[in-house]
Amino acid sequence: ETGVTQTPRHLVMGMTNKKSLKCEQHLGHNAMYWYKQSAKKPLELMFVYNFKEQTENNSVPSRFSPECPNSSHLFLHLHTLQPEDSALYLCASSQDLARGNEQYFGPGTRLTVT
Amino acid sequence: GESVGLHLPTLSVQEGDNSIINCAYSNSASDYFIWYKQESGKGPQFIIDIRSNMDKRQGQRVTVLLNKTVKHLSLQIAATQPGDSAVYFCAEINIRSARQLTFGSGTQLTVLP
Repeated sequence: ETGVTQTPRHLVMGMTNKKSLKCEQHLGHNAMYWYKQSAKKPLELMFVYNFKEQTENNSVPSRFSPECPNSSHLFLHLHTLQPEDSALYLCASSQDLARGNEQYFGPGTRLTVT
Repeated sequence: GESVGLHLPTLSVQEGDNSIINCAYSNSASDYFIWYKQESGKGPQFIIDIRSNMDKRQGQRVTVLLNKTVKHLSLQIAATQPGDSAVYFCAEINIRSARQLTFGSGTQLTVLP
């Protein structure tokens, strides 16, 4: 185990639903990340938080809304998603941005949008 | 544009043999190059990284080689075991500026009995 947990592990939602993904890290890290992993594509960075402040938004559609209430927790709020948003959503953490070369990933949430 | 790519999408090796997984990169400004392993149903797992001012780094059964002249990165796994079967990703990052990991598309390593 890497010390990064994600819930739920699987999620099926309709395009009109609202759901949230949760990530928690037990490593005492200060930077947290959301990635999208689609089939046959490289991991895509979505958002970065450092000491609870968002430092990066990689042109992610507004139907994805991140929230970082503290350094240990990260959420991804989802609403009015599209079928092409179906993917594995991975959370990661690192000591801080300066140690972004060593990120620890959670197991991911497998999202299916119907 | 900047990219990190892998030479082969799949690699099969006999148990006990050595494995070599290759990666090409294009961003000369990267500070670190990293290898991740992703087993089925799991998130990527950090294996080893190498700073851009090094050309070789060894870990437990793994060695990463960096050739900046040809912008090539490789991961060598000694005495490959069934538990090494996974997808391996190379990634690069510029800690001083973009600070974002850029991942390649992955190589599926299959260890044959």
